[in-house]
Amino acid sequence: NAGVTQTPKFQVLKTGQSMTLQCAQDMNHEYMSWYRQDPGMGLRLIHYSVGAGITDQGEVPNGYNVSRSTTEDFPLRLLSAAPSQTSVYFCASTRPPDTQYFGPGTRLTVL
Amino acid sequence: GENVEQHPSTLSVQEGDSAVIKCTYSDSASNYFPWYKQELGKRPQLIIDIRSNVGEKKDQRIAVTLNKTAKHFSLHITETQPEDSAVYFCAASSGNQFYFGTGTSLTVIP
Repeated sequence: NAGVTQTPKFQVLKTGQSMTLQCAQDMNHEYMSWYRQDPGMGLRLIHYSVGAGITDQGEVPNGYNVSRSTTEDFPLRLLSAAPSQTSVYFCASTRPPDTQYFGPGTRLTVL
Repeated sequence: GENVEQHPSTLSVQEGDSAVIKCTYSDSASNYFPWYKQELGKRPQLIIDIRSNVGEKKDQRIAVTLNKTAKHFSLHITETQPEDSAVYFCAASSGNQFYFGTGTSLTVIP
């Protein structure tokens, strides 16, 4: 039981490049979410999903896309990376009703 | 949407003393209030949580209190130890969305 896994751990992009951050969980949780963490700002919700085929926007969704084709996977896509998207990204999976487990994070730098 | 404020942003205590971190929230529909501990370079980890039908919850040296009328909740750590040094986040949720405070950096001085 690996819990929540994320890849890659670190990534450097140039402005305008696109990429996908991977997130997977093996706990059969329906609810998954993506956060970004910036210094002094806590964690902010980007997108979330309540089950396969269902996604919704969080607090800061602009510049990001998600899809949920399976219960296990919830990838986050950056369409055209900007320096403002430099951050640490955490994926989380929720055991009902509301206990969140976070992945190890992806540290993204956009030059 | 919900707005969660957390104070103080930094806190230093002597080993063995108590530490208190306070959070307020704005949405009366919020009914779940978790606290997370995050060590440097690591993921946030749930340390304790409380639901709106409970006023206080304790787990060894950690306790959380909730005042629904005033819309605030607090984390209490007693007999602090150096390994308690970390950043602590509060959060509030009414279902599908979690809103986090901005964090408190706790330093326990040996």
